[in-house]
Amino acid sequence: GENVEQHPSTLSVQEGDSAVIKCTYSDSASNYFPWYKQELGKRPQLIIDIRSNVGEKKDQRIAVTLNKTAKHFSLHITETQPEDSAVYFCAASMGGYQKVTFGTGTKLQVIP
Amino acid sequence: GAGVSQSPSNKVTEKGKDVELRCDPISGHTALYWYRQRLGQGLEFLIYFQGNSAPDKSGLPSDRFSAERTGESVSTLTIQRTQQEDSAVYLCASSLGVEDGRTFGSGTRLTVV
Repeated sequence: GENVEQHPSTLSVQEGDSAVIKCTYSDSASNYFPWYKQELGKRPQLIIDIRSNVGEKKDQRIAVTLNKTAKHFSLHITETQPEDSAVYFCAASMGGYQKVTFGTGTKLQVIP
Repeated sequence: GAGVSQSPSNKVTEKGKDVELRCDPISGHTALYWYRQRLGQGLEFLIYFQGNSAPDKSGLPSDRFSAERTGESVSTLTIQRTQQEDSAVYLCASSLGVEDGRTFGSGTRLTVV
C-alpha cells in the first residue's frame, strides 16, 4: 500500500518568514495530493490540493509543488502569520481510489 | 446541512461497553469516510462508503469495529466491547466524489475508562 512520510514533525518560524513542509510517497500510481490544516482542537480543513497533471499550484500565500519523478511534494507558506500556526497534514491517493493516506503531520509554530 | 455533523461530540464509556458514533454528511456528497486520530498523531483511515457500492473496510483495526451507511445519508460507526486503546477522536468526512477534497466533521472524542 501507499506510504507517506512527512518532514519536519515540528517547525518554528518567525512571523513573516517562509515555511516549507515536505512529503514523500511510495506508490507511483498516486495522483492526488491534498494538504490539510488542523488548528488545535479543531477539525482538519482542506487548504490546497494538487493533481499529478500539474507541477505547481498557488493560492495566495500558499503553494504546493509536486515532483512525480522523485515522488515528493511540498507545501510552501510565504509571509507567515500567527494564525498559520497549526498542524499540517499531507496526503496521497490514487485517482479513482478512495483511500487517502495521510502523513504524520507537521506542527507549525509562527512566532510573532 | 451546511457541514458534516457528528454526534456525540464527546463520549466517555466503560471498558467492555459498546458505543455508536453518528455522522451526517453534507447533502449530496456521495463519499463518506471515517478516520481515527489518536492524541498527537495523524489520521488513520478506517472505512469508506461510496454511493451504493460495497464499502472499503480495509482500515478497520479489528472485528469489534463496524460501520453502516444507508444510501448517501447518515453513517454510524459501532465499536463493540471497547478497549482503552480505542480512546481517540473519531473523524468523519464526506466529499462530492472520490476525487474531491474532503470536508471533515468536528469529530467524536471517545474516552474508554
